[in-house]
Order: sequence, then C-alpha cells, then structure tokens
Amino acid sequence: GDSVTQMEGPVTLSEEAFLTINCTYTATGYPSLFWYVQYPGEGLQLLLKATKADDKGSNKGFEATYRKETTSFHLEKGSVQVSDSAVYFCALSPDTGANSKLTFGKGITLSVRP
Amino acid sequence: DTEVTQTPKHLVMGMTNKKSLKCEQHMGHRAMYWYKQKAKKPPELMFVYSYEKLSINESVPSRFSPECPNSSLLNLHLHALQPEDSALYLCASSQIQVRGYTFGSGTRLTVV
Repeated sequence: GDSVTQMEGPVTLSEEAFLTINCTYTATGYPSLFWYVQYPGEGLQLLLKATKADDKGSNKGFEATYRKETTSFHLEKGSVQVSDSAVYFCALSPDTGANSKLTFGKGITLSVRP
Repeated sequence: DTEVTQTPKHLVMGMTNKKSLKCEQHMGHRAMYWYKQKAKKPPELMFVYSYEKLSINESVPSRFSPECPNSSLLNLHLHALQPEDSALYLCASSQIQVRGYTFGSGTRLTVV
C-alpha cells in the first residue's frame, strides 16, 4: 500500500537557519504530494502541493519539488523564523479514485529559537 | 468563503452522554471527511462522504455515527464514548477529482 516516510524529529534551529525536512513516498502511479503544517492547538493548513513529476510547490518561502526518480518531496526554506515553529506533515493522495484518502507521514516538530 | 468551520472547538463529555460535532463548508466541495488525531500523531481517516453518501468507513466503532444532511454540512454523532476516544477531531473537504483538502481547526474532545 501507499506510505510516506519522514525524517525523525524533532528539529531545532536558530532563526535564519536553512531548513530541510526529508520526505519519501511509496505509491503506484503518479500520486499528488502535499506538505501540511499544524501550529500548536490548531488544525492542519495546506502549505504547498505538487501534482506531477518535477512540479515545484512553493508558499511562504517554503519549497518542495516532486522527484519521481527518487520518490521524494523534501521541504526546504532558506531562512526560518520563530513563527515557523510547528508540526509539518508530508502526505500523498493516489492518482485514482474520486475522493481517495490522504496518507500522512508521522510528522516532524520544528522549533525555531530566536 | 474558503474555510471549513467546526463547532464546538472544545467538548468535554461523560461516557454516557450523547453529543454531536458539526462541520460546515460553503466552497461547493462535494467530498467531506472526518479524521481523528491523537497527540503527536498524524490524522487518521474515519469517514468519507461523496455527494452526501458515505463512501468510506475505516472500520470505525459504531459509537461514532456520521451524518451528511446536505452538501455543506457534516455531523459526527457521539454516544457511549470511551476515554481513549479523547482526541482532536478534524473535518476536511475537497472537490471531487481535485486532490488537496481544506481542513477545519478541529474539535478537541475529552471523554471523562
């Protein structure tokens, strides 16, 4: 079945540091890939997405590129801020089915120090 | 309106109580979802409604009863819950055939 693997956390960075959060997936066909962010005490917000190979999703300074050859969708940001402290989930949705479910990775907690 | 609204935000209920969670969206999405999220874990799918019909039930206990009265509303009726059912319950919606959900902010449920 489909699966998403995220790097182990938590991750603690200083403000303005470079961020990379690794995500790899296993799925048949051409799934859509997502990064969701969950701030403390809140629901999930879609951060960015990519629906086909080599697509780059970007939002709020975050970027991720859909790499079919390495089955990866790593999240990057050049300069993190304290306000980026949150839990980040990588997820996929398969390319078949009208309302197919999201498969999530375990999530990783990011803490950014001033 | 690009939001999914969930009420209440917090709920404390006894094991013999009956309560309902409500979810509403006005984006014209025809797929709606209930997820359960325990602390420090990813969300787990419970139910999917497509065109107001239940299409996926992920083997959820019968003490959870979903209802989709119209294309904008999704309810989750709760009865005889257990303390281990305490969690954040998230509602989401999406267009059919367009992947990418919009999540609500959730109802934090505590069963005592």
